[in-house]
Amino acid sequence: GQQVMQIPQYQHVQEGEDFTTYCNSSTTLSNIQWYKQRPGGHPVFLIQLVKSGEVKKQKRLTFQFGEAKKNSSLHITATQTTDVGTYFCALVYTGGFKTIFGAGTRLFVKA
Amino acid sequence: DTEVTQTPKHLVMGMTNKKSLKCEQHMGHRAMYWYKQKAKKPPELMFVYSYEKLSINESVPSRFSPECPNSSLLNLHLHALQPEDSALYLCASSPQGGNTEAFFGQGTRLTVV
Repeated sequence: GQQVMQIPQYQHVQEGEDFTTYCNSSTTLSNIQWYKQRPGGHPVFLIQLVKSGEVKKQKRLTFQFGEAKKNSSLHITATQTTDVGTYFCALVYTGGFKTIFGAGTRLFVKA
Repeated sequence: DTEVTQTPKHLVMGMTNKKSLKCEQHMGHRAMYWYKQKAKKPPELMFVYSYEKLSINESVPSRFSPECPNSSLLNLHLHALQPEDSALYLCASSPQGGNTEAFFGQGTRLTVV
């Protein structure tokens, strides 16, 4: 089945620095979703990308879907302590229903 | 109401106990899911219900038994669990299939002793 690799596993940043997490697949993806999970919390949906080369922004967050639809990234500009948590990409199998999460990137922000 | 409600929030059970986890949503979603999440790991899909019918079972041991009494409710019945089954159990729902946003409940933190 399709799998997605997510890097880095951990990222420590100083508040105000930028942060990027990447997801890569060996096969073409139909779409990709991104979730955030705060420490002690539950995953919260951030966005879904569907189109090749798609770029979407949510305030300081920028999401990209590669031209070949095999990779995706989440970039946070000027991190804040509220950005702390684990960011997961999630692969939705063609046909729906089966959503597989990447390993996640844990973001630590030092004030 | 955009919430998925899970009860209980915490559960400690012995290996011979029988317990149930409950999940409820009133968003009219027709797909509901159970995930298991170990510490510092991603959520792992266990079961998917679509229109109240079990559509995916990810080879989960029979000591976990899901049930969907109606379109708003999802249960997970637990029996003869092992200590390694201790984890956060997350329920989620989505309007249709996985190509739409999934709403997660806050989870039940289960400890098997």
